[in-house]
Amino acid sequence: EAGVAQSPRYKIIEKRQSVAFWCNPISGHATLYWYQQILGQGPKLLIQFQNNGVVDDSQLPKDRFSAERLKGVDSTLKIQPAKLEDSAVYLCASSLEGGTVREKLFFGSGTQLSVL
Amino acid sequence: GENVEQHPSTLSVQEGDSAVIKCTYSDSASNYFPWYKQELGKRPQLIIDIRSNVGEKKDQRIAVTLNKTAKHFSLHITETQPEDSAVYFCAASIFAEKLTFGTGTRLTIIP
Repeated sequence: EAGVAQSPRYKIIEKRQSVAFWCNPISGHATLYWYQQILGQGPKLLIQFQNNGVVDDSQLPKDRFSAERLKGVDSTLKIQPAKLEDSAVYLCASSLEGGTVREKLFFGSGTQLSVL
Repeated sequence: GENVEQHPSTLSVQEGDSAVIKCTYSDSASNYFPWYKQELGKRPQLIIDIRSNVGEKKDQRIAVTLNKTAKHFSLHITETQPEDSAVYFCAASIFAEKLTFGTGTRLTIIP
């Protein structure tokens, strides 16, 4: 079974620039998450999608971050404009159907963002 | 919301010894507690999980225990090997939605 795919693997930008990350979840997985992992910390949830709808974006800094999941499959996460404190690994994860007892979360390899 | 605390932040053990990592959670409604292993530069990988209807689960050298009353759960690794060296994260959630992660434990196995 193919895993969660993310690109790019690394990105270096200057502050105030824009950046976008892409995620392709495991085939058939309805639930998709974006997590932010700052160096030395655990992943922090940014946004959760169920199919193409947003379930929870309460921790997404909406003044600069946006995400979409058109057609309920691939997702993109955008930062505009980037700040130094956005430097982190952005992890995408998917699960078959969030909120059920049979669920397990699978992570992609992440995009490591460095803001200079 | 849920808050998960994890201890210790770093742990070094001799190869062959056991390692124990402990986590506490705040939301009594949480019922799903996975553990992830993350090697440097790689994705977090699920190594074991436990649901609140059981107190202990074992998979070869790895075991997890859960105390719902005290709201804490622990990861036990026996007969540690060099390949066990990694950062381990605990997490908690209601079912498997919106995991809240601990801050991680860097485990080093000394040959």
